[in-house]
Amino acid sequence: RKEVEQDPGPFNVPEGATVAFNCTYSNSASQSFFWYRQDCRKEPKLLMSVYSSGNEDGRFTAQLNRASQYISLLIRDSKLSDSATYLCVARDTGRRALTFGSGTRLQVQP
Amino acid sequence: EAGVAQSPRYKIIEKRQSVAFWCNPISGHATLYWYQQILGQGPKLLIQFQNNGVVDDSQLPKDRFSAERLKGVDSTLKIQPAKLEDSAVYLCASSTEGPRTYTEAFFGQGTRLTVV
Repeated sequence: RKEVEQDPGPFNVPEGATVAFNCTYSNSASQSFFWYRQDCRKEPKLLMSVYSSGNEDGRFTAQLNRASQYISLLIRDSKLSDSATYLCVARDTGRRALTFGSGTRLQVQP
Repeated sequence: EAGVAQSPRYKIIEKRQSVAFWCNPISGHATLYWYQQILGQGPKLLIQFQNNGVVDDSQLPKDRFSAERLKGVDSTLKIQPAKLEDSAVYLCASSTEGPRTYTEAFFGQGTRLTVV
């Protein structure tokens, strides 16, 4: 079983739609969580951190449920420029490096 | 601020040949990572350095992969001999992370390796 699992998609949505991505993690020692964005043939870039209390950054909302070991990302009012792969990432206190999921591909269509 | 620099951007080699990748992290970043990203998958950690010491190399295939960061700044990753399954993008990342803190890891553009 992978440490971080995501639905690979692709998610094809029209502009203006709301889309949600889910992610589960298996390592109960994971303490920090993030969403990274990766454009085609580019490097991953941090989109946002994920906190237990939930956090919002403009059109993006991230949620963490430690009891269920579940992370989500909600994108409202999708833009064409949101088309990318979204990587769910976990980090535990022992192995300090990031553990990535396989990514969920989003394609926003006009 | 200059980002993480990697070279070469692309490399095509035959199986059983050797190859080396170079990374120069962001100035002042003590932590350096090498990740392997196979097409359709997320990046997988190969090795993590803190200054010039290895923090985690548990997923590095040590029979063929080696990495060093001798002066605690730039780093090289070597594959010898290469196999077809080593075809991937090799990403270098760096951060200012210390033992008890996390800061954002910045990635270089990667080296795309094709083994034929």
